[in-house]
Amino acid sequence: NAGVMQNPRHLVRRRGQEARLRCSPMKGHSHVYWYRQLPEEGLKFMVYLQKENIIDESGMPKERFSAEFPKEGPSILRIQQVVRGDSAAYFCASSPPGKQGILFFGSGTQLSVL
Amino acid sequence: AQSVSQHNHHVILSEAASLELGCNYSYGGTVNLFWYVQYPGQHLQLLLKYFSGDPLVKGIKGFEAEFIKSKFSFNLRKPSVQWSDTAEYFCAVKYRGGADGLTFGKGTHLIIQP
Repeated sequence: NAGVMQNPRHLVRRRGQEARLRCSPMKGHSHVYWYRQLPEEGLKFMVYLQKENIIDESGMPKERFSAEFPKEGPSILRIQQVVRGDSAAYFCASSPPGKQGILFFGSGTQLSVL
Repeated sequence: AQSVSQHNHHVILSEAASLELGCNYSYGGTVNLFWYVQYPGQHLQLLLKYFSGDPLVKGIKGFEAEFIKSKFSFNLRKPSVQWSDTAEYFCAVKYRGGADGLTFGKGTHLIIQP
């Protein structure tokens, strides 16, 4: 049973470009969470999604950030017009139905904005 | 705002020493509590959790944690650490009825010297 798969592992973008981060949850998991980790900071919750629905986006910046979890395919975290402050590690996690809080994490995507 | 505090950002111990990592959370009613661990080069994984019942919970690899409601604490302990316990440890809280994501502490980097 493959774990949570994130790609790419490393992503380099110039200011103003778009970044697309992908996350495939574990098989059977219907809940996906995105977290951001800045240097010397803990994990900050961004968004929680179920298939085709955003359940909680209270941690998402109001502009330039969006997330989706389509019926088919991986969850996508999209950052438009990236700025240097977006440089961080972005982690995806999934959980099985009825077991929120028990998260299985991917290896993360390290985004570097030049 | 809901928050989680981990008292020590860096801890260095010798093998066989006893370990206690502090974790306190802000008041917010009923909580679920977690400790996650990230070994070097690996993804975050669940170490142990508390939902209800016995406030002393046992996790993997000899770790345990005690929920003290009056102190809003959930400290992680291990009687005798091993070199392989070198990792980053994160305390996390889910406030029941609150936002769906976990609130994480900033993490404690534990180094065990052989």
